[in-house]
Parts: sequence; structure tokens; C-alpha cells
Amino acid sequence: DAGVIQSPRHEVTEMGQEVTLRCKPISGHDYLFWYRQTMMRGLELLIYFNNNVPIDDSGMPEDRFSAKMPNASFSTLKIQPSEPRDSAVYFCASSEEGQGLVYGYTFGSGTRLTVV
Amino acid sequence: GDSVTQMEGPVTLSEEAFLTINCTYTATGYPSLFWYVQYPGEGLQLLLKATKADDKGSNKGFEATYRKETTSFHLEKGSVQVSDSAVYFCALRDSEPNFGNEKLTFGTGTRLTIIP
Repeated sequence: DAGVIQSPRHEVTEMGQEVTLRCKPISGHDYLFWYRQTMMRGLELLIYFNNNVPIDDSGMPEDRFSAKMPNASFSTLKIQPSEPRDSAVYFCASSEEGQGLVYGYTFGSGTRLTVV
Repeated sequence: GDSVTQMEGPVTLSEEAFLTINCTYTATGYPSLFWYVQYPGEGLQLLLKATKADDKGSNKGFEATYRKETTSFHLEKGSVQVSDSAVYFCALRDSEPNFGNEKLTFGTGTRLTIIP
């Protein structure tokens, strides 16, 4: 398996622009997680899905952020409009129902977002 | 709620030194415990895990023992190498509620630097 695949690896955009981050989870995994990592705040859970349904979005910072999972093999995290304080590394992770106790998550390599 | 408290970093050691990174937790049920490692520019990777009390997880010379009596899961390595320089995250996945709850709770991470 190719693992969790995120794209793009790096994104530089201007303030006010829309940014879309993409994630392909491991085939067969029922859960998908979006995390944000910054020096100041560490690793923050933004939202997670179970069987394509959002379960907990309490970590989404504000209405500028939205996430979708239209099918089991694809998810997007969108920021509109983007601001410099959104600059961070965004990680996607997936896990299989009932396996979290044993195996934890598999993380993607992340998208480094810079908003100038 | 669940929480993970990690030793504050950064930690700097000389090559071949003994390493301990402390981790304590609070949980509602009977959690599984994990250590993840993040190398520069990469995503988090599962380093080791323990699923029940007194279990010892081990990998790449690292070890951690699940101590229920002290609610701890300290990471140790007898002789560190420069290649061990990374950020280490302690995490737990609680057993309660069991269904529909695959959320991992992470500590803040400890940055480790090994100097030759």
C-alpha cells in the first residue's frame, strides 16, 4: 500500500486566496483525520470523519475552514480566504475501525502551507 | 477528559548517551499507548505501542513500558545516535467509548537533538 497520500507537499499562496489541500487515505480505512501543526500550538486535531461522515469538527478554527469527504478514497481541506496565521503544516491520517487501539494512525507526509 | 503530558523540550544529548522522555496520561477507560516519531520534514511515524498494562513496546532500540500504577509510558533508549534526532510524541487511544471513537490524544511533542 502506498500509505496516506497528501498533495501538494508545499503550497505558497497570497492572503485572501482560496487554498485546497487533498488527502487519499489508505484503502479500507474507515477513519480520516486532519491535523494542523505549528510551533506555537503543536499538533491540533481539526476534524475527523468516519465512513465519510464528519464526526467531530470542534477543532476547526473558524468558518474560513471547511472539510469534505465525498467518498472513501478522497478528502479535502479548504481555507477561504486564507490568512498568514494559517501558515502551518497540515497532516492527514487514517485508521481502520476497531484497529485504533492496536495500531494507532497512519500519517501522510503533510502539506506545508505558507500564506504571504 | 483524556490527556497526555510530555516532558518539555528541547532535549540535547551527546551520541551514545542514555535517553528518557517522560510521558504521563489520564484516561477514562483502559487506553492503548503509543510513541510516534517525526523526522525533519516528514509526517509522524508509529515508533512503538503497548495495548495493556505491563506491556513493553520496543522498536529500533527504543522501549517503553505501560505502567498503569503510575499512569506512565516513558520512552527510553540506552545509546542514542545522531539519526535519532527528531520530535517524539506520546499518544493514547482510550477504550471508552469503544465504538465510533478512534480519536488519538497527543502530547505536545519533545524535540530531541543528538550531537556527535
